[in-house]
Amino acid sequence: AQSVAQPEDQVNVAEGNPLTVKCTYSVSGNPYLFWYVQYPNRGLQFLLKYITGDNLVKGSYGFEAEFNKSQTSFHLKKPSALVSDSALYFCAVRDGGAAGNKLTFGGGTRVLVKP
Amino acid sequence: GAVVSQHPSWVICKSGTSVKIECRSLDFQATTMFWYRQFPKQSLMLMATSNEGSKATYEQGVEKDKFLINHASLTLSTLTVTSAHPEDSSFYICSASPRGLDPDTGELFFGEGSRLTVL
Repeated sequence: AQSVAQPEDQVNVAEGNPLTVKCTYSVSGNPYLFWYVQYPNRGLQFLLKYITGDNLVKGSYGFEAEFNKSQTSFHLKKPSALVSDSALYFCAVRDGGAAGNKLTFGGGTRVLVKP
Repeated sequence: GAVVSQHPSWVICKSGTSVKIECRSLDFQATTMFWYRQFPKQSLMLMATSNEGSKATYEQGVEKDKFLINHASLTLSTLTVTSAHPEDSSFYICSASPRGLDPDTGELFFGEGSRLTVL
C-alpha cells in the first residue's frame, strides 16, 4: 500500500521569508512524487515532480523540492514567499513498483503568506 | 500547456434531479481521465478511472449507478450524478492523463472543478 502524509494543516509565513511545506511518503517500490497547488474554487496545478535522478527538483513559480530517500520525504520549498503563493498544496505519490498504480494525495497544507 | 476544461463550474439543483458534468481535454487526447471528489478543507478522493471506449473503474464505496461516468471520446468524459441528494453536494474535479505521456511518471492535468449544491 502507498501513502503520503502532510503533517501540517497550515503554514503561516511572512512575505519574503522562506517557505517549507512538509511531505513524507510510504511505498513498497520506487516513489514517484508530485506537488500540486490549488487556488480557491479551482482545480489543481502541477508544480514539480521527482521520478529519478537529481534529488533536488526545480519547478514552477520558483518552487523546488528535495527528495530524501532515507527520510522518505519530499519537502516543498521556496526561498522567498509571495502573498500570491497563498493556496492549498498537495503532495502526491505513486508507487513505481508496478505499472498502473494510482496517485495518492496527502491531506493538503494550507499556506498563508502575510504581507 | 495541456488544458482541461470542466463545465459547469457551479451548479445548483433540486433533490432528485440528475446533473451532468463535462470534462474536456482541449489541446490533447486523454486515454485516461480520473474523477475526484473533494470535501471542504479535505484532500481529493478518487471516485473512478475512465478509459476511452471502456467502462469506468470505480473505487470501493463509490456507487456506480449513482455516479455514471462516460468516456465517449479521447477528449471528453462526463460524470452524471443521478437522483442527486444534499449529501452529494461537493466539489468534483476531473483530471486527464495525456496520450503518449507515461501514465506512471507523467503528471496529471486537472480541470477547474465543478461545485455541486443539491437543495
